[in-house]
Amino acid sequence: NAGVTQTPKFRVLKTGQSMTLLCAQDMNHEYMYWYRQDPGMGLRLIHYSVGEGTTAKGEVPDGYNVSRLKKQNFLLGLESAAPSQTSVYFCASSAAPYEQYFGPGTRLTVT
Amino acid sequence: AQSVSQHNHHVILSEAASLELGCNYSYGGTVNLFWYVQYPGQHLQLLLKYFSGDPLVKGIKGFEAEFIKSKFSFNLRKPSVQWSDTAEYFCAVQRTGTASKLTFGTGTRLQVTL
Repeated sequence: NAGVTQTPKFRVLKTGQSMTLLCAQDMNHEYMYWYRQDPGMGLRLIHYSVGEGTTAKGEVPDGYNVSRLKKQNFLLGLESAAPSQTSVYFCASSAAPYEQYFGPGTRLTVT
Repeated sequence: AQSVSQHNHHVILSEAASLELGCNYSYGGTVNLFWYVQYPGQHLQLLLKYFSGDPLVKGIKGFEAEFIKSKFSFNLRKPSVQWSDTAEYFCAVQRTGTASKLTFGTGTRLQVTL
C-alpha cells in the first residue's frame, strides 16, 4: 500500500516549456487535490477533483490545468511554465469528509 | 473568504520546554480542524484532527490541541518537546460541505535545541 505517490520528484524547466505532474493513490479515495507550497505562504490549493472525470478550480488555478481520467490518478499540467511557478507541488487525496493524505512532493524550478 | 492565522512564524525552544502554537480562523460556520507536521524534506503528516465532541483532542507523539469555538482557535500544545519535534507545523481548516477542501495557515517553524 504505497498511499499517495508523485512523479517526478524534481524537475527543472525553462520558461515556456510544458510538463505534466502525475499523482497516483491506491486508497480508492474519491477526492484528490493539488497544492503548491511557497516559503511563508503555507499550502495553497490549485485544483481539486471530487471524483473520476471531475475537476474544479482552487485558490490559485491560473497557469495550470488538471485531468482526472482514472479515479486513482490526478494530473497537473503546466502548458507554458513561468518563473512564478517555481514551487514545491503536493498532491493529496481523501475519502471525504475526512483528513487528506499527502504525497512526497515535486520540487519544480523554472528558469 | 475564510482565512487561517498562525501568528508564530518561527519558534525556538530548548528540549523539555513546553510548546503552544496558536491557530485562529475566520469562518463562522461549522468547521473541521487539523494540525499537520512537515519534517525536513518530508511530506505533510497528520498530527491530530477535530471534527466534533470533546474539544480537547490528542494526537500522535504527545501532541494535543484545544478547540475554543468562542475564540475561533485551535492551539497546538505539547508539555515537553524533543529535538525530533523540529519541523514545520501547519494548522488547517475545512468547512463542512466544501469537498473537503483545506485552507492552511502559513505555518510555524519549530526549532528545538539540545
